[in-house]
Amino acid sequence: QVQLQESGPGLVKPSETLSLTCTVSGGSISSSNYYWGWIRQPPGKGLEWVGSIYYSGYTYYNPSLQSRVTMSVDTSKKQFSLKQTSVTAADTAVYYCARGYCSSTSCRSWGYYFDYWGQGTLVTVSS
Amino acid sequence: SYVLTQPPSVSVAPGQTARITCGGNNIGNKGLHWYRQKPGQAPVLVIYYDRDRPSGIPERFSGSNSGNTATLTISRVEAGDEADYYCQVWDSDTDHVIFGGGTMLTVL
Repeated sequence: QVQLQESGPGLVKPSETLSLTCTVSGGSISSSNYYWGWIRQPPGKGLEWVGSIYYSGYTYYNPSLQSRVTMSVDTSKKQFSLKQTSVTAADTAVYYCARGYCSSTSCRSWGYYFDYWGQGTLVTVSS
Repeated sequence: SYVLTQPPSVSVAPGQTARITCGGNNIGNKGLHWYRQKPGQAPVLVIYYDRDRPSGIPERFSGSNSGNTATLTISRVEAGDEADYYCQVWDSDTDHVIFGGGTMLTVL
């Protein structure tokens, strides 16, 4: 059974950098069928896609966050990471990591969906 | 950028059928996915590629997608179905993932 676990500081000061890591267990991280994503949810609000990274390292970011976000993947450790700079209170949210899956015939036509999610980690931006 | 529109809330009595819509320009040409999220929990995939159900999701959950509207249908609604439901697509023009704003399903 695939499992994902987020880790990182729960409190970040304004203007500093948020850093989170997601560790994947129970399955491969290196497959052409997988995109590894970060999704966040501010308290009481809906889901917002932050970005995704392909196992090869190619990245896709939400345009509203693109200037502040960097994602990376370490296949040897089965981990992928998120760095978000210059955070403000508006970045306070539960951050989820998730596995995006698409079949070989659907990736470039129908895209992917998130079939496994971490439990989420609350990151609060406050001084 | 591509936008998905969901009603903020839907209410239904137990045993009845709930229909939650997700609107978008030519959404019928995209793969549409649905998630259920209960309070304090991570989202769970309930429908993928318009109408397919992951293992473990009851047959009461079904989906359709055509034109400018996708619909999640929950038959014989139970109290345990009360949750927030989100639709999601991948935009082939930008390679971006888009979520709808979410719909709160209330079981009366």
